[in-house]
Amino acid sequence: VQLVQSGAEVKKPGESLKISCKTSGYSFSGDWIGWVRQRPGKGLEWMGIIYPGDSDTQYNPSFQGQVIISADKSIGTAYLQWSRLQASDTAIYYCARWIGLWHYFDYWGQGTLVIVSS
Amino acid sequence: DIQMTQSPSSLSASVGDRVTLTCRASQSIGTYVSWYQQKPGKAPKLLIYAASTLQSGVPSRFSGSGSGTDFTLTISSLQPEDFATYYCQDSFTNPLYTFGPGSKVDIK
Repeated sequence: VQLVQSGAEVKKPGESLKISCKTSGYSFSGDWIGWVRQRPGKGLEWMGIIYPGDSDTQYNPSFQGQVIISADKSIGTAYLQWSRLQASDTAIYYCARWIGLWHYFDYWGQGTLVIVSS
Repeated sequence: DIQMTQSPSSLSASVGDRVTLTCRASQSIGTYVSWYQQKPGKAPKLLIYAASTLQSGVPSRFSGSGSGTDFTLTISSLQPEDFATYYCQDSFTNPLYTFGPGSKVDIK
């Protein structure tokens, strides 16, 4: 199982962004995949998950309306996107496979650093 | 919302020490707790799920226990590669799944 994320991004406030998480080694359509935020020097925050098989999505209320989680099952890739970035979105974002029975992330991507600065 | 607390927030230990980290939930979450290890500049790594089930490939010196509101992660004999920050996660409360603030283990 491998999850490979897109590279670091430097953006200005108000810009849009879509980062990706390319998976391999398992059935992408049959497992949930999610995103975790880690602000500089801070802890982990569960953002949300998507089931690529039917695009069912669950968001942490703190992130609902702030980001969009999507997936393209034809290429085994999940996405996290923003329409208008803010400085407070500066963080490392990790994708990870979510195991739905006991609710944990077992395989993680390497992380994507997003810097939002004017 | 369920709050997760961890103690200690940091500790200094020596190679070979037995280390016990504690995680407390503000409400009962059964055995729905996961534990992760994170080293600087790296992604988190799953250690334990369902409070006490060791993830495949994780050394047996790691163990987890607890139920309800109180959980522990124990490292039976600390190794050099175990110096890291450890996070517990509420794996019960959908769709929050809150992580604890972490416990940093460093070298004495």
